[in-house]
Amino acid sequence: EPEVTQTPSHQVTQMGQEVILRCVPISNHLYFYWYRQILGQKVEFLVSFYNNEISEKSEIFDDQFSVERPDGSNFTLKIRSTKLEDSAMYFCASSATPRRQFFGPGTRLTVL
Amino acid sequence: DAKTTQPNSMESNEEEPVHLPCNHSTISGTDYIHWYRQLPSQGPEYVIHGLTSNVNNRMASLAIAEDRKSSTLILHRATLRDAAVYYCILGSALNYGGSQGNLIFGKGTKLSVKP
Repeated sequence: EPEVTQTPSHQVTQMGQEVILRCVPISNHLYFYWYRQILGQKVEFLVSFYNNEISEKSEIFDDQFSVERPDGSNFTLKIRSTKLEDSAMYFCASSATPRRQFFGPGTRLTVL
Repeated sequence: DAKTTQPNSMESNEEEPVHLPCNHSTISGTDYIHWYRQLPSQGPEYVIHGLTSNVNNRMASLAIAEDRKSSTLILHRATLRDAAVYYCILGSALNYGGSQGNLIFGKGTKLSVKP
């Protein structure tokens, strides 16, 4: 079965640095999402992307965050200036229809 | 988004059926009922979804109450690999585009499976 892949699996960065988390969605999927999960807490929606633009974003997704689909295959999440509270697992998801999302294995972001 | 209520935890014995309940008394007529699960240290995984009728797939069955105010995810024979957090999530069928699919996760039900 096709899979969503994410790189890196673990990213360690210093506070204030920029990070880019990468995702390769399943080909022919049209809907793309980022979620995050702080250790021990719920999975939280960040942003959805469809037709080359953001469809919806949560309150968490402020000006420090951006998403891009630079080449038709990758889907990236950029955090411009990381904070300690950005430490979390970040999950990318894609879907052909909104009824069934396929999640990647996640990137663990550690901000020191 | 309409809310769901699930028990915090449940236990099951291996190879026995498991019935995971979900209450969604404020569900609207256009809300789908989705179930996802999250195995330890993994991303969420789709299990099943339905609107009004009961649904079956290779992973599970979804039984939806006639008034749609509750549903039950049924694992027919639990295995150790089914130990996970199970999330019942409502999603509107209205609109198109990414906003239709955003999943709002609650705390879910942590299922433990005993050998």
